[in-house]
Amino acid sequence: AQKVTQAQTEISVVEKEDVTLDCVYETRDTTYYLFWYKQPPSGELVFLIRRNSFDEQNEISGRYSWNFQKSTSSFNFTITASQVVDSAVYFCALSEAPGGYQKVTFGIGTKLQVIP
Amino acid sequence: DTGVSQDPRHKITKRGQNVTFRCDPISEHNRLYWYRQTLGQGPEFLTYFQNEAQLEKSRLLSDRFSAERPKGSFSTLEIQRTEQGDSAMYLCASTTRGAGNEQYFGPGTRLTVT
Repeated sequence: AQKVTQAQTEISVVEKEDVTLDCVYETRDTTYYLFWYKQPPSGELVFLIRRNSFDEQNEISGRYSWNFQKSTSSFNFTITASQVVDSAVYFCALSEAPGGYQKVTFGIGTKLQVIP
Repeated sequence: DTGVSQDPRHKITKRGQNVTFRCDPISEHNRLYWYRQTLGQGPEFLTYFQNEAQLEKSRLLSDRFSAERPKGSFSTLEIQRTEQGDSAMYLCASTTRGAGNEQYFGPGTRLTVT
């Protein structure tokens, strides 16, 4: 069975600090997909990134970067120079290889508070 | 493309009443999912449709829950004889067919059972 662990339930940082959100996953499949979603106070989940299991290249998008390491089953998310607008709950999610539907398993989420 | 929409956004009901929620996915998306999210938790999968066919149901979906997607477009989720434990955010998501495609979520329907 697939499982996603986000050990940090809440993090507070001061604006402009860097912050890393940890995500560890478990799966028996060799083909799978990892996601990060942001859930701001308004409640709507916003897709941030997708990674497939064959692509371990790290990715940077503006102030956001992601570090995917299969050896440690981790897919960590770093926000550089955090801003108050980054305050939200962030979810890491895992989808195993398609054969039929794409069931996504979410972690419990990490609530990030950026203090001005 | 207006995104995934859900109606109503909030619903307060008394225990024992029936409620129905609606989800309109992104128009070209043939896959539709329902999730439930309780406070402090991530979304939990409830059920999945590919076009009009309901292909998977979670064990979380008791026999009081039923979902339909009659014409492969919008979907409804009905809860009969609501219980206080049903209080949660009900999220709908859609995606196109394909491996590992990201799901796009609606704003959710927050259900409060009193």
